Amino acid sequence: QQQVKQSPQSLIVQKGGISIINCAYENTAFDYFPWYQQFPGKGPALLIAIRPDVSEKKEGRFTISFNKSAKQFSLHIMDSQPGDSATYFCAATGANNLFFGTGTRLTVIP
Amino acid sequence: EPEVTQTPSHQVTQMGQEVILRCVPISNHLYFYWYRQILGQKVEFLVSFYNNEISEKSEIFDDQFSVERPDGSNFTLKIRSTKLEDSAMYFCASRDSGGTDTQYFGPGTRLTVL
Repeated sequence: QQQVKQSPQSLIVQKGGISIINCAYENTAFDYFPWYQQFPGKGPALLIAIRPDVSEKKEGRFTISFNKSAKQFSLHIMDSQPGDSATYFCAATGANNLFFGTGTRLTVIP
Repeated sequence: EPEVTQTPSHQVTQMGQEVILRCVPISNHLYFYWYRQILGQKVEFLVSFYNNEISEKSEIFDDQFSVERPDGSNFTLKIRSTKLEDSAMYFCASRDSGGTDTQYFGPGTRLTVL
């Protein structure tokens, strides 16, 4: 059973554009939703996270939008830069281990 | 900034051999995890460890796998008899007990089983 579904699988955005990655989850017991950024050959690095008691969280150019009733959340990267090119994973957890989405490979074209 | 470290960065082994992957979690963290990422796929949970015992494990974590915290700083993953399908990146993660769910990941060990 896939606990967290992520789309799209890959995304190409022009520099300065907005990148949007979507995730959906099944388990209503999940109460923490982080996004991780991963560069080739490196471990996942926490980018931003949200709890379901808020509908949006913004940190710099990165925003999470959360829709509890739809069990969906998304990552928005404003003013996308070539340095943002990486794989992004959404994840969810309720008590202990993280359930990861399948990842989105983002390419920002200069 | 404190970080999770892992050694070795790359391990090559023959099928059937035992391997030990090592991790040094962030010093004041109390929860420890191992995850696996097969090339090009998502990160998958293997096991969590707290208070010197396994707190949760996935179906991937069968009898060939074991974890240990041999001292106050290291956290190890042992694969007793490696199989070709064990080839993957193995990530260690840790988090503290201060009410945050944030897990911090190490850089990973690439395991290649020949």
